Amino acid sequence: DIQMTQSPSTLSASVGDRVTITCRASQSISSWLAWYQQKPGKAPKLLIYKASSLEGGVPSRFSGSGSGTEFTLTISSLQPDDFATYYCQQYNGTFGQGTKVEIK
Amino acid sequence: EVQLVQSGAEVKKSGESLKISCKASGYSFTNYWIGWVRQMPGKGLEWMGIIYPGDFDTRYSPSVQGQVTISVDKSIRTVYLQWSSLKASDTAMYYCARHRLEGREEEAFDIWGQGTMVTVSS
Repeated sequence: DIQMTQSPSTLSASVGDRVTITCRASQSISSWLAWYQQKPGKAPKLLIYKASSLEGGVPSRFSGSGSGTEFTLTISSLQPDDFATYYCQQYNGTFGQGTKVEIK
Repeated sequence: EVQLVQSGAEVKKSGESLKISCKASGYSFTNYWIGWVRQMPGKGLEWMGIIYPGDFDTRYSPSVQGQVTISVDKSIRTVYLQWSSLKASDTAMYYCARHRLEGREEEAFDIWGQGTMVTVSS
């Protein structure tokens, strides 16, 4: 089974900060990676698919990059609505353990 | 509008059986894989398995294989997740979600249900 490891587990940041979350796969997954945002009590929301493609309706401050085993999700300027938990997922199933973005 | 609507919260006892549902609307139901994702209280997301309504092809995570059954009723556009004997450790929120592209077995989930909370007491 492919393992997905996110870092950090928790991130404290301020509005306006540039935020980067990393996701590593235990073996190459090409670009078959998605990123999701989840707020408390809500279902996850797809942000990025195929490592770097922005899902429709998602603000352009979100971007994804990487291929093979290392991937990043970047929020260029953190907004109040962005405080949430973020998960990566390789297309064959496995999710990362999540990164909680908190207010500093 | 494309949407997945899940059945309501359940409270059960250990050893009981349960079947929760996910009703799809607004798209060609038989052409997209639909999956189930578990989230235990305060924990992360766990991929459980997927089913292709077109031909009933099903995949399970090794961690849940044999513990749950994923099924579909095409006539009412509904996917199910079923337990024959619940355990307290099955207490979790369960989400159904649709693959983003038609026919692709390995894909991102673009449409999610609202979740079904299952509580199992011992």
